[in-house]
Amino acid sequence: GAGVSQTPSNKVTEKGKYVELRCDPISGHTALYWYRQSLGQGPEFLIYFQGTGAADDSGLPNDRFFAVRPEGSVSTLKIQRTERGDSAVYLCASSSRTNTEAFFGQGTRLTVV
Amino acid sequence: AQSVTQPDIHITVSEGASLELRCNYSYGATPYLFWYVQSPGQGLQLLLKYFSGDTLVQGIKGFEAEFKRSQSSFNLRKPSVHWSDAAEYFCAVGATGGYNKLIFGAGTRLAVHP
Repeated sequence: GAGVSQTPSNKVTEKGKYVELRCDPISGHTALYWYRQSLGQGPEFLIYFQGTGAADDSGLPNDRFFAVRPEGSVSTLKIQRTERGDSAVYLCASSSRTNTEAFFGQGTRLTVV
Repeated sequence: AQSVTQPDIHITVSEGASLELRCNYSYGATPYLFWYVQSPGQGLQLLLKYFSGDTLVQGIKGFEAEFKRSQSSFNLRKPSVHWSDAAEYFCAVGATGGYNKLIFGAGTRLAVHP
């Protein structure tokens, strides 16, 4: 597709459940970022991939959060044992090596009930 | 620590009026600075960015911003606001470690009255 695609657009889950959020970056973009945006706040950095490897995961809040990008394209953010405080919009962005502007997807709104 | 402050949570202007959204940052070195806009149901869109050079930066949709090192500010301006400019605006600084590792402010929600 032309832009960054995130699925699902909305996800409601019960406390304690496991969820996966998917990001399809712009074709050819080697850098991929995950951010989390809580209600009334700006996005907060979670993790950065360059290719297949996580180059910076300093923003992951705890070990319940994990992200992968096995083939250097699609990425999945995984959250174990979800808590109500995990409710937020999870944003994905990608950028190319030469064009350093990051393009954001529309996000996945996660609600933990 | 790096941080971004947007002092105004909400701003309301009349269509055709001028606009200035404030942004102050805290950063030890020369910052990379950005303004993004987020409309309902839309992803974040980059309006403009500052890396170096001319401190007055032009962006898309008629927006501009001025980097003032002495004031640690990067305020966004538009001479005449259109109803379609109603959205949330985020200022961000590029954090140590990578260009797109961004630290965002809390945002300013802009409402435009006809």
